Amino acid sequence: KAGVTQTPRYLIKTRGQQVTLSCSPISGHRSVSWYQQTPGQGLQFLFEYFSETQRNKGNFPGRFSGRQFSNSRSEMNVSTLELGDSALYLCASSKGRGDTEAFFGQGTRLTVV
Amino acid sequence: GQNIDQPTEMTATEGAIVQINCTYQTSGFNGLFWYQQHAGEAPTFLSYNVLDGLEEKGRFSSFLSRSKGYSYLLLKELQMKDSASYLCAVMEDYKLSFGAGTTVTVRA
Repeated sequence: KAGVTQTPRYLIKTRGQQVTLSCSPISGHRSVSWYQQTPGQGLQFLFEYFSETQRNKGNFPGRFSGRQFSNSRSEMNVSTLELGDSALYLCASSKGRGDTEAFFGQGTRLTVV
Repeated sequence: GQNIDQPTEMTATEGAIVQINCTYQTSGFNGLFWYQQHAGEAPTFLSYNVLDGLEEKGRFSSFLSRSKGYSYLLLKELQMKDSASYLCAVMEDYKLSFGAGTTVTVRA
C-alpha cells in the first residue's frame, strides 16, 4: 500500500513568487491536512479537507490556500511568498471519519530567498 | 484553541525508561496523539488516546487523564534508535494541534 506522497520534495523560490505543493493521500483516505513546520514555531495546522470540503482552517493569512480534488489529492498554494514562509510543509492523510491515525508524507522543503 | 506543553529535552541511558509528560488546555477534545519524528523525517504515529487510561503498544505506552488535561508517553527498554523528537498533539474539530516536541537523547 503506497504511503502519502508529496511533491516536490524540495523547492527554492524568490520573494513575491507563488508556489503550489501537491499531496496524494493513501488510497481510500478522504481527509488531507496540511501543516507548516519551522524550528521556531513547530508544527502549525494550516487546513483540513474532506471530500473536497474544507472543514477547518488554522491561523494563517489568506496568502495560504488549498483545495482537494474528487480523487482526494490535495494542493496548497502560497502566493506572494515571504522569507518567513521558508519551512517544511507536511500533509497527513486519514480516513477522516472518527479514525485514529493520520499518516504523514515526507514533506516539501520550501526555501524562499 | 489549545495550549500544549511538554518538556523541551530529556536524556536517558540505553535500556532505561523515560516518561514524557504533556499537559493541554482545549475547548473541545477528540483525542490525544503521540508522534515520533527523527531529524529530517516526517512524524510517525505512535499512539492515540481518547478515553482515560493506559494504552500499551510494545515498548511504548501512553496514558490520558481528560479531567486533568494530562497525558504521558512511556518509553521502555530504550534503544539508541529511540533518539528523536516526540510530539504530543490534541485533536479538535478535525484539527491536530501539536506541542513543540520533546527531544529525547539516548546515551550508551
